[in-house]
Amino acid sequence: EAQVTQNPRYLITVTGKKLTVTCSQNMNHEYMSWYRQDPGLGLRQIYYSMNVEVTDKGDVPEGYKVSRKEKRNFPLILESPSPNQTSLYFCASSLSLPSGGNTIYFGEGSWLTVV
Amino acid sequence: SQELEQSPQSLIVQEGKNLTINCTSSKTLYGLYWYKQKYGEGLIFLMMLQKGGEEKSHEKITAKLDEKKQQSSLHITASQPSHAGTYLCGADISAGNNRKLIWGLGTSLAVNP
Repeated sequence: EAQVTQNPRYLITVTGKKLTVTCSQNMNHEYMSWYRQDPGLGLRQIYYSMNVEVTDKGDVPEGYKVSRKEKRNFPLILESPSPNQTSLYFCASSLSLPSGGNTIYFGEGSWLTVV
Repeated sequence: SQELEQSPQSLIVQEGKNLTINCTSSKTLYGLYWYKQKYGEGLIFLMMLQKGGEEKSHEKITAKLDEKKQQSSLHITASQPSHAGTYLCGADISAGNNRKLIWGLGTSLAVNP
């Protein structure tokens, strides 16, 4: 079954404590991205990756890092989380660029609360 | 203001009624995605439209793309409680020399039995 798997699904953490949200896809997709979803602001892209070792900033990259060492995995790293990073996070993947008319598959989301 | 506007923001309908949700872009549309989201859960792909005038249907949901108006509409026929949720549109638009994907804020749909 085609899947994008994120972990953890729910996390409460404290300010400044580094955390990583993992994302894995089983479809051999080249393109992966991370979004955050906030009330009134909708989905905003944090980072994206066109392929292994190729990553680029989205619209709201500040405070986040990513890596793409393998095709299937695209972890999101918060080096020093702050309360304004409290949000619902989604990982997404597609065969190639979404502009190619490719279906975008989303993970189930990770609720992150930073206190 | 949003580059991609969805209307209405929210909608309450009686089971069995038809409804339409609109998604309007301020930029030229190269493609338009429709997704459904239950509160706090992942986004479920409904359909993707690429050509002007294109219309796609899945069960009781039909979506159409009007390139001239830079708009897409999602129509649900004979709504059921299972249709409740938030409907999101995502648009493939031009951004400088590149293309990018932008998202509407969603339309929240409640269906009363």
